[in-house]
Amino acid sequence: DAKTTQPPSMDCAEGRAANLPCNHSTISGNEYVYWYRQIHSQGPQYIIHGLKNNETNEMASLIITEDRKSSTLILPHATLRDTAVYYCIVRPHPTGTASKLTFGTGTRLQVTL
Amino acid sequence: DAGITQSPRHKVTETGTPVTLRCHQTENHRYMYWYRQDPGHGLRLIHYSYGVKDTDKGEVSDGYSVSRSKTEDFLLTLESATSSQTSVYFCAISRGGPEETQYFGPGTRLLVL
Repeated sequence: DAKTTQPPSMDCAEGRAANLPCNHSTISGNEYVYWYRQIHSQGPQYIIHGLKNNETNEMASLIITEDRKSSTLILPHATLRDTAVYYCIVRPHPTGTASKLTFGTGTRLQVTL
Repeated sequence: DAGITQSPRHKVTETGTPVTLRCHQTENHRYMYWYRQDPGHGLRLIHYSYGVKDTDKGEVSDGYSVSRSKTEDFLLTLESATSSQTSVYFCAISRGGPEETQYFGPGTRLLVL
């Protein structure tokens, strides 16, 4: 599985866009980029995923570079409730029955007033 | 909300005692997973299930067993708990096949004294 590199921490002012980067320079052609977040003491929460194209849903946008070696998760209007650890995960499209997710150390996003 | 509950949410037990954690889902999903989360290790897959009575091992299965006699319930048993099994345990489901996104439950905090 491709490894990911994320900054350990970031700050963002409430109401501003939070842009969380992720490097995945060894990503393979069939590997997806997933983003999850974990708010203190809660289970990981799925945010968004993509393969090549940029994606947007009600929570966030995912921008993947053309060479797919990096991506950015964008929370367009961060609120205090977005304070969490954000995980970027590269996941191969499973061919068997096993489909584990490999969580790294993530980026701790602190949203401030 | 993927309709996942875990019980108990917190448990303290003694070394050598058996412990069973329950994951319950309300949406009839075929795939269910048990992970543990420890500082410095991220989430690690223990066991997973791809149907009633169909289970397989993950990367850290030693000391754990699972059972799935009904679609909605996936049980994780620590046959003889050890202090190294002190952890936070998360259940996850994927809607559809193993290639689908995984959604996590709220977690169970287990302390083995």
